[in-house]
Amino acid sequence: EPEVTQTPSHQVTQMGQEVILRCVPISNHLYFYWYRQILGQKVEFLVSFYNNEISEKSEIFDDQFSVERPDGSNFTLKIRSTKLEDSAMYFCASTGLAGGANTGELFFGEGSRLTVL
Amino acid sequence: GENVEQHPSTLSVQEGDSAVIKCTYSDSASNYFPWYKQELGKRPQLIIDIRSNVGEKKDQRIAVTLNKTAKHFSLHITETQPEDSAVYFCALEYGNKLVFGAGTILRVKS
Repeated sequence: EPEVTQTPSHQVTQMGQEVILRCVPISNHLYFYWYRQILGQKVEFLVSFYNNEISEKSEIFDDQFSVERPDGSNFTLKIRSTKLEDSAMYFCASTGLAGGANTGELFFGEGSRLTVL
Repeated sequence: GENVEQHPSTLSVQEGDSAVIKCTYSDSASNYFPWYKQELGKRPQLIIDIRSNVGEKKDQRIAVTLNKTAKHFSLHITETQPEDSAVYFCALEYGNKLVFGAGTILRVKS
């Protein structure tokens, strides 16, 4: 069964460093997402991406964050200068049908745990 | 943005009993309401979903009910088993994304 894959599974970084989290969405999916989950809390929307551009972003997704689909398969989240409060599990997700999550299941990757020291 | 209220935050039941988790929302435009189960350290996984054109959907021991007028939807798990222990999140479609509730920690005691 196709899966969303994410790397790395865990990254430890120093405050102020840049981090890139990588995702390979399911190949025929059209919408891609990044969500964040701080330990013990809810899953929070960061950004959605469709047709090679951001379609929506949350207040959390400030100028320190960026997303890119550099080669047609990878979907990356970059945090330019990490802060302690960026420590969280970051989930990539994708959905297959045009029209977004309201027409199909959202498939999540296993997550990338980011620890900022 | 849209907010989803989920209750209770924790729920302990005896094995074999039923569990009910409820979510309320305010945006009447939402038409898709999924429920996700998240085991410790793992990804959220869809267990059941419902669209606004139906009031109830059932899949074996799991059912979801939707009341669009009152703007609430509920997850019902019958004959609970220890492996049902997990965090359950309700969600709804808002724009082109899902908005999640705060989660319910379900503990099934054997």
